Amino acid sequence: DAKTTQPPSMDCAEGRAANLPCNHSTISGNEYVYWYRQIHSQGPQYIIHGLKNNETNEMASLIITEDRKSSTLILPHATLRDTAVYYCIVRSTGANSKLTFGKGITLSVRP
Amino acid sequence: SAVISQKPSRDICQRGTSLTIQCQVDSQVTMMFWYRQQPGQSLTLIATANQGSEATYESGFVIDKFPISRPNLTFSTLTVSNMSPEDSSIYLCSARTSGSSYNEQFFGPGTRLTVL
Repeated sequence: DAKTTQPPSMDCAEGRAANLPCNHSTISGNEYVYWYRQIHSQGPQYIIHGLKNNETNEMASLIITEDRKSSTLILPHATLRDTAVYYCIVRSTGANSKLTFGKGITLSVRP
Repeated sequence: SAVISQKPSRDICQRGTSLTIQCQVDSQVTMMFWYRQQPGQSLTLIATANQGSEATYESGFVIDKFPISRPNLTFSTLTVSNMSPEDSSIYLCSARTSGSSYNEQFFGPGTRLTVL
């Protein structure tokens, strides 16, 4: 069973920030929050991950609440090419841990 | 980062036949995985491909239906055996590299299988 819950869909205007929420209330202390996205007809693409501190890279920012029970992925300036399904996943860093996908959230960026 | 390629990219097969999908990674990786994505659905893990030993299958998947090989650290195959229309899906290969602090996992482009 997926350990995260996400709204099924959301949209935003091109050029605006897209804030994608994720709940992971049962997250364990050794589990990271990962975000992947899947653009239509492609394999999933890694975006960002974090443990408890906020993280930023060239693609996005990840804001994790202090209690770690939820997080938000922020795409600062969404473009039409950001239209995709975004998956929030929790996974431990153990050698045999697995990446388990939930249903994700479909982000539609409108012109 | 690792680049993953899969062959074939797509195929249309007849019921009762088998198809072998190849996955090649451009660098040595510690773990390789096979996922299935049925139409309109999310990804489901089929198995972990273990180098030099039998694959580890997830609940609901069996070796007779989805035999997997991994002869070295950069290559794996998945066979979909005795196919039926219900096997029509996208099959994705995935790999996890070593040496990074968080063991980033990469995905291939997928193989789109249609069974008639």
